[in-house]
Amino acid sequence: GAVVSQHPSWVICKSGTSVKIECRSLDFQATTMFWYRQFPKQSLMLMATSNEGSKATYEQGVEKDKFLINHASLTLSTLTVTSAHPEDSSFYICSAPWLAGAAEQFFGPGTRLTVL
Amino acid sequence: GENVEQHPSTLSVQEGDSAVIKCTYSDSASNYFPWYKQELGKGPQLIIDIRSNVGEKKDQRIAVTLNKTAKHFSLHITETQPEDSAVYFCAAPGASGGSYIPTFGRGTSLIVHP
Repeated sequence: GAVVSQHPSWVICKSGTSVKIECRSLDFQATTMFWYRQFPKQSLMLMATSNEGSKATYEQGVEKDKFLINHASLTLSTLTVTSAHPEDSSFYICSAPWLAGAAEQFFGPGTRLTVL
Repeated sequence: GENVEQHPSTLSVQEGDSAVIKCTYSDSASNYFPWYKQELGKGPQLIIDIRSNVGEKKDQRIAVTLNKTAKHFSLHITETQPEDSAVYFCAAPGASGGSYIPTFGRGTSLIVHP
């Protein structure tokens, strides 16, 4: 199957700092990528849809100025958590359809963010 | 939008037993139903999926059944093994702007006791 990678796999930062998470499609091009947040023992909650070459679409309740998304190429989307606070600590996961418009999604391994 | 309900939230079985997890969905237009396995600290991994033009699909010890009339689909795992222990999520996609965005169930924590 298609491979999606994320970097870093885990990160610890101080409150007030910004953290960037990368999501890469390794063997296919992804015009669309999705960012999810998962709290312990909960399901995946969609945060935003990242579109190559255009602005991201954010789900209701997700602050676009806090969670900056950049989809600069067909294989890379980045999520920057700005001015992170302890409540932003979570597991962040990206996914991408292997083909534009396809229903099948491939997920990255996730990034564990801990804000002290 | 799509609403997905998943049951049970926790399922404990003995090694070798079968496990069944059920999901219901609300949007009758949904036509693709994946199941994901998530191990601790990892991203979800697609284990099996089914499209609305078939009623059942099997892959070794894993099967998925779909009842479009009742709007539910189920994951069946036979001859469970300890390595099957994980959280399983069902999903039903909602089409938006040319993309399919899955709505996930709440997850089922499967525990297989040796």
